[in-house]
Amino acid sequence: TQLLEQSPQFLSIQEGENLTVYCNSSSVFSSLQWYRQEPGEGPVLLVTVVTGGEVKKLKRLTFQFGDARKDSSLHITAAQPGDTGLYLCAGAPLSGNTPLVFGKGTRLSVIA
Amino acid sequence: EPEVTQTPSHQVTQMGQEVILRCVPISNHLYFYWYRQILGQKVEFLVSFYNNEISEKSEIFDDQFSVERPDGSNFTLKIRSTKLEDSAMYFCASMGLLGNEKLFFGSGTQLSVL
Repeated sequence: TQLLEQSPQFLSIQEGENLTVYCNSSSVFSSLQWYRQEPGEGPVLLVTVVTGGEVKKLKRLTFQFGDARKDSSLHITAAQPGDTGLYLCAGAPLSGNTPLVFGKGTRLSVIA
Repeated sequence: EPEVTQTPSHQVTQMGQEVILRCVPISNHLYFYWYRQILGQKVEFLVSFYNNEISEKSEIFDDQFSVERPDGSNFTLKIRSTKLEDSAMYFCASMGLLGNEKLFFGSGTQLSVL
């Protein structure tokens, strides 16, 4: 069974601070996705990273896929209260259309 | 943007009762999924459905669970005899033709088994 470990589990920061969330595994994934989930809602895809070492930017969010495609990070610059939510990473196993494996998530709270 | 629709948003049932959770995937999608998320825990895969049959299922998806696509638009999850531990948020998701595209999630059905 492939597992994704996310850290930290909880993060509470002040508005304007930077933060990094990590997603680690001992397994290789064909791609890795980051989702954001609001209370009472389903996960919403933020980005998919496919190539080892790939970096993608989405405004103040920077996503990186590890060279070995086993880990990923999400960095938020100058966090805002609107960034508050549960951030989930999900890995697509190497074998075909096997379902995504989700991490437990990082619950981020940005205080104004 | 197209969306996956789930009904009801909340379902309360007594232990041992049958429940049917309903989903309307995005109309031109071909891959359908059910996931669940127990409060405070991670999103867990239950089952995937393609070409009118189950393509993969997890250990959670035992004989008490079944899925159907009865009319070409709805995709349902049935739990025959609910248990307390079935209480969770159930998410339906769908994906397009190629099977490696964006996965769209519905907003979920919160199932509470009493």
